[in-house]
Amino acid sequence: GDSVTQMEGPVTLSEEAFLTINCTYTATGYPSLFWYVQYPGEGLQLLLKATKADDKGSNKGFEATYRKETTSFHLEKGSVQVSDSAVYFCALMNTGNQFYFGTGTSLTVIP
Amino acid sequence: KAGVTQTPRYLIKTRGQQVTLSCSPISGHRSVSWYQQTPGQGLQFLFEYFSETQRNKGNFPGRFSGRQFSNSRSEMNVSTLELGDSALYLCASSLEPPGELNGYTFGSGTRLTVV
Repeated sequence: GDSVTQMEGPVTLSEEAFLTINCTYTATGYPSLFWYVQYPGEGLQLLLKATKADDKGSNKGFEATYRKETTSFHLEKGSVQVSDSAVYFCALMNTGNQFYFGTGTSLTVIP
Repeated sequence: KAGVTQTPRYLIKTRGQQVTLSCSPISGHRSVSWYQQTPGQGLQFLFEYFSETQRNKGNFPGRFSGRQFSNSRSEMNVSTLELGDSALYLCASSLEPPGELNGYTFGSGTRLTVV
């Protein structure tokens, strides 16, 4: 069945460091891929998405490229800020209109 | 515009009781999905409704049920609560399927604690 595997956390970075959170997926067909972010006590907020191979999603300095050949959708940001501290979830949606989420990666950015 | 509204935000129930959670989608959104979030199992799909019809259901026991009203508001019900039902329950709405194109917006969730 469909599934998402993402990098285990927690991740701790200094402000302005480079961020990579790895995400790989298993799915039949051509799923859409997403990154969601969850701040403490809140629901999920869509960070970015890509709906077909080689698409690059980007938002607020975060980027991820849909790589079908490696079944990956790694999240990157060139310079993290303290306000980026949150839990990040990689997800896919295939036919059936339901999300399959990774386990989440907790990021803490220290000044 | 108003986001997805879930009520109540917090709930404490006793084992064996039943509970009803409510979700009001963004105005105009007709697709509503529910997810359970726990530290052990992560985010798991419960069910999806569109135009008052359940279109998809996750792998949860029959104690978990839901419905959608003509105004697209949705409720989920859990009967005979167990300690393991303690979780954050998230609702998400979309204009209409397929949600991956139109985008899903999540609510802030209802935190259910079963004691």
